[in-house]
Amino acid sequence: EPEVTQTPSHQVTQMGQEVILRCVPISNHLYFYWYRQILGQKVEFLVSFYNNEISEKSEIFDDQFSVERPDGSNFTLKIRSTKLEDSAMYFCASSERLFYQPQHFGDGTRLSIL
Amino acid sequence: KNEVEQSPQNLTAQEGEFITINCSYSVGISALHWLQQHPGGGIVSLFMLSSGKKKHGRLIATINIQEKHSSLHITASHPRDSAVYICAVRSPNAGGTSYGKLTFGQGTILTVHP
Repeated sequence: EPEVTQTPSHQVTQMGQEVILRCVPISNHLYFYWYRQILGQKVEFLVSFYNNEISEKSEIFDDQFSVERPDGSNFTLKIRSTKLEDSAMYFCASSERLFYQPQHFGDGTRLSIL
Repeated sequence: KNEVEQSPQNLTAQEGEFITINCSYSVGISALHWLQQHPGGGIVSLFMLSSGKKKHGRLIATINIQEKHSSLHITASHPRDSAVYICAVRSPNAGGTSYGKLTFGQGTILTVHP
C-alpha cells in the first residue's frame, strides 16, 4: 500500500539553525499538510497546501516557517531559525481529495532543538 | 476552550473485552476522523465519518451529528490494540471554507492486558 514517507526520522539541531523536514506524499495525492505534536500534548495543525500554494495556516505557522513543493514528489517544511519550543514530532499528511478521503500520515520526524 | 474532548483519557482492559472510546466536539464539522498512534509515534487513519456508522474488522465507529458525538468501539480487544486513539474533526474556517485542517482531541491511551 502506498505510504507517506518522512525523512529524517530524528533531527537534532542547535538553536538558531535552519532545519528542513522532508516528506514524500503518496504520488496521486493533491492536498498536503504539516502537523506537529509537542511531547505529551495533542497534535496541532500547522499548514495545508494545494496547487503550489498555502491554503490555510495556523497561528503557529509564523514567518519562521515555510513550505515548498520543489518538485513533483517532495513536500518540505523549513524552520528558518529554530527555537527550543520548536522541539516536537512533525507529521506530514496527504490526501487525494479535499472531501470524502482520509488523510494519510507519515511516521513523523522527531525534531530536537538543543 | 477545547473543541474536541475525548473520554476516557486512559483505559485499561483485559483481552477479549468490548471497548468504547468517546469523542465530543463543539464546532460544526464536515468530517470526523479516528486515528491510531503507536508508541513509536506514527499515526494511522482508522475511519473517516460524516454520518452513521462504519465497521472495519473488530473496529466500529459511529457518529451522531445532532449530538456532536462519536464513539469508537473495539470488539474482542487484543493486546496488539494497545495504542493511543485520537479523534480529530475537520471544520470550516471563520470564512466558512474547509481546506482540510484537522483539530485533534488529546487522545485516549488504551492498554489491553493478556
